[in-house]
Amino acid sequence: DAGVTQSPTHLIKTRGQQVTLRCSPISGHKSVSWYQQVLGQGPQFIFQYYEKEERGRGNFPDRFSARQFPNYSSELNVNALLLGDSALYLCASSLVRRNTEAFFGQGTRLTVV
Amino acid sequence: DAKTTQPNSMESNEEEPVHLPCNHSTISGTDYIHWYRQLPSQGPEYVIHGLTSNVNNRMASLAIAEDRKSSTLILHRATLRDAAVYYCILIVDDKIIFGKGTRLHILP
Repeated sequence: DAGVTQSPTHLIKTRGQQVTLRCSPISGHKSVSWYQQVLGQGPQFIFQYYEKEERGRGNFPDRFSARQFPNYSSELNVNALLLGDSALYLCASSLVRRNTEAFFGQGTRLTVV
Repeated sequence: DAKTTQPNSMESNEEEPVHLPCNHSTISGTDYIHWYRQLPSQGPEYVIHGLTSNVNNRMASLAIAEDRKSSTLILHRATLRDAAVYYCILIVDDKIIFGKGTRLHILP
């Protein structure tokens, strides 16, 4: 069975641009969460989606948005990129919404220049 | 917001038990305690979770204090592969709050 897959693995963007990151959960998993991990820090929660609806949101500006598709895959969009958005973006999937094991992907390394 | 506190780093000798503490004094009655670890250049990996009573799985044991304000992750026999950052996590209202974690060094 494939694990959580994220694409792309790396990308470089310029300040002010927009970026879309993609996540495919493990087959059968209906919950997808997104995290931002700045170098040397723990992951910071951005969003959780379950059954295609937003179920949780962290303290991130409105430039960050996400959605979940009928096949439970998900996209994270970031508009008007800032240098501070440079980070590892992690996606995690789980079978149900709460209190269960979450499986993380390898992440997308975003560099904003 | 619910918060966890962990030591920044710990050291242990290979093949000895390791006890990783976590304080979560603001925990509410329905919050589960989760532990994840992150090896270098990898995404976090689930270790264990529990609510009130002690929990065991193939990776580790979780000892939860009676008042639930603290917990301890126990690795029974540390190996070099256990060197990682260990995160104690509360999930509150669908928000997964990672702390800074404990960086565990294993000495051969």
